Amino acid sequence: GAVVSQHPSWVICKSGTSVKIECRSLDFQATTMFWYRQFPKQSLMLMATSNEGSKATYEQGVEKDKFLINHASLTLSTLTVTSAHPEDSSFYICSAPGTEPYNEQFFGPGTRLTVL
Amino acid sequence: GESVGLHLPTLSVQEGDNSIINCAYSNSASDYFIWYKQESGKGPQFIIDIRSNMDKRQGQRVTVLLNKTVKHLSLQIAATQPGDSAVYFCADSNDMRFGAGTRLTVKP
Repeated sequence: GAVVSQHPSWVICKSGTSVKIECRSLDFQATTMFWYRQFPKQSLMLMATSNEGSKATYEQGVEKDKFLINHASLTLSTLTVTSAHPEDSSFYICSAPGTEPYNEQFFGPGTRLTVL
Repeated sequence: GESVGLHLPTLSVQEGDNSIINCAYSNSASDYFIWYKQESGKGPQFIIDIRSNMDKRQGQRVTVLLNKTVKHLSLQIAATQPGDSAVYFCADSNDMRFGAGTRLTVKP
């Protein structure tokens, strides 16, 4: 089956620094990827849709200048949390859709971000 | 500060019992549904899917039922095991946003 990886799996950073999270589709190409954030005991919240070769589409309330998304190739999307603050501490998960028309989502293992 | 999000309803069952997890959807045009399982600290994983031209689909120990009249899905897990403890989400393939999900806890 299709595999999506994320790197790093966890990261601890100081407040005010930026952190980059990578999402890769390992054995398939993904023109679209999705970024989610999940706080403890809560559901997945869609942050943005990453589009290869064009700008990401952000959900309402998500700051595009704070959460920079770059989808530079058909197998890689990156999420950069800029000027991170403790409230950005969360579990970040990416996904990529499978083959049309079924659109099953293949999820990465997640990245645990802790901002001190 | 604390973020606003969807807090998870919970279901607790005894090991060996059957579990039923329910889900409602809103788009009557939806034609493909997926159940995902998310274990603690991991990304969601596909469990089973169902197309709108079906009412029922069975997998290994899992069954999904679809009632299009009331726009309702259920996931049934037979002989629930401790390894089934996780959060379960249903998803409409056309909507990348997830609902609250259900946290299943299996008591030994």
